[in-house]
Amino acid sequence: GDSVTQMEGPVTLSEEAFLTINCTYTATGYPSLFWYVQYPGEGLQLLLKATKADDKGSNKGFEATYRKETTSFHLEKGSVQVSDSAVYFCALKQFGNQFYFGTGTSLTVIP
Amino acid sequence: GAVVSQHPSRVICKSGTSVKIECRSLDFQATTMFWYRQFPKQSLMLMATSNEGSKATYEQGVEKDKFLINHASLTLSTLTVTSAHPEDSSFYICSARDSGPGANVLTFGAGSRLTVL
Repeated sequence: GDSVTQMEGPVTLSEEAFLTINCTYTATGYPSLFWYVQYPGEGLQLLLKATKADDKGSNKGFEATYRKETTSFHLEKGSVQVSDSAVYFCALKQFGNQFYFGTGTSLTVIP
Repeated sequence: GAVVSQHPSRVICKSGTSVKIECRSLDFQATTMFWYRQFPKQSLMLMATSNEGSKATYEQGVEKDKFLINHASLTLSTLTVTSAHPEDSSFYICSARDSGPGANVLTFGAGSRLTVL
């Protein structure tokens, strides 16, 4: 069945460091891919998305490219800030309304 | 953009009592809403799909009689945890799919943290 695998955390980085959070997926067909972010005590917020192969989603300095050949959707940011500390979830949506989430990766950015 | 409001954000109750959590889509209609449960340091587990005007569809292993879902209108779904026990303590999150310009994107409520004493 469809699934998402995320790199395990937690991840701790210094401010202005480069961030990569790996995400790979298993799916039949051509799913849409998403990154959601969850700040402490809050629900999930959509960070970015890509709906077809080679699409690049971007928002708030974060980017992820839909790579069909490697079934990946890695999240990157060139220079993280303390305010980026949160839990990041990779997700895919195939048919209908079913979303599949990864286990989440906790990021802590220290000044 | 689409907004989903969830209430209450925090609730503490005694074991054996029932708790109702509301999920509202504020600026769009949602024929389908989703209820998730999130355990500490884990991902979201889909509990059920709430369908307006019909019975909810529960995921395998989720007790229908314990987690009652009612989707009475196009903007409101409720989750009632009946006869709550400490093991029901968790973070419950609802979501709805906006079929407008942000199609196929799930909008989440802020979540409800339930603590059962």
